[in-house]
Amino acid sequence: EAQVTQNPRYLITVTGKKLTVTCSQNMNHEYMSWYRQDPGLGLRQIYYSMNVEVTDKGDVPEGYKVSRKEKRNFPLILESPSPNQTSLYFCASSLLSPEGRGLYGYTFGSGTRLTVV
Amino acid sequence: GQQVMQIPQYQHVQEGEDFTTYCNSSTTLSNIQWYKQRPGGHPVFLIQLVKSGEVKKQKRLTFQFGEAKKNSSLHITATQTTDVGTYFCAGHQIYNFNKFYFGSGTKLNVKP
Repeated sequence: EAQVTQNPRYLITVTGKKLTVTCSQNMNHEYMSWYRQDPGLGLRQIYYSMNVEVTDKGDVPEGYKVSRKEKRNFPLILESPSPNQTSLYFCASSLLSPEGRGLYGYTFGSGTRLTVV
Repeated sequence: GQQVMQIPQYQHVQEGEDFTTYCNSSTTLSNIQWYKQRPGGHPVFLIQLVKSGEVKKQKRLTFQFGEAKKNSSLHITATQTTDVGTYFCAGHQIYNFNKFYFGSGTKLNVKP
């Protein structure tokens, strides 16, 4: 089944304790991205990757890191989590259009609900 | 700041009534996509519009892309309780294909 798999689904952690949220897709998609979803703010892009070893900042990258060493995996790293990073996080992937001019529809993971206390 | 705005933020309708959500961008979009997120779920891709003035239908859902490619709408005819959820529009700016902006979403509640 074509899917984006995120782990864990739920995570409660303490301020400053490094954590990684994993994301893996089995559709050979070039483009992968992380979003956070907060009430009233919609989906905000944290980081995205156009392909292996190619990553760039989205709109809210502060406090996050990513890497893209393999095409299928795109982990999100919080080196020193803070309470304002409490949120619902989604990983998503998409094919790039043949001309490289945009995305086809995203496939989203099921989400990771992170609470930082 | 927010590149893509959506209105209304919330909409409560009686089952059988119609529903429309509007999406407006401050800049020209290369395409527009629509997603639905059920309560407690993740966004699911519905459709993509690319051409100026394009109209597409999926059963009771009608999607439009404005002539200037700066606005879009989703219209649901005769809502059902299964339509409950949040509807998001999203798109690329025409000169920046790397970033993808989501609207703030319209939360639809349908009373049986």
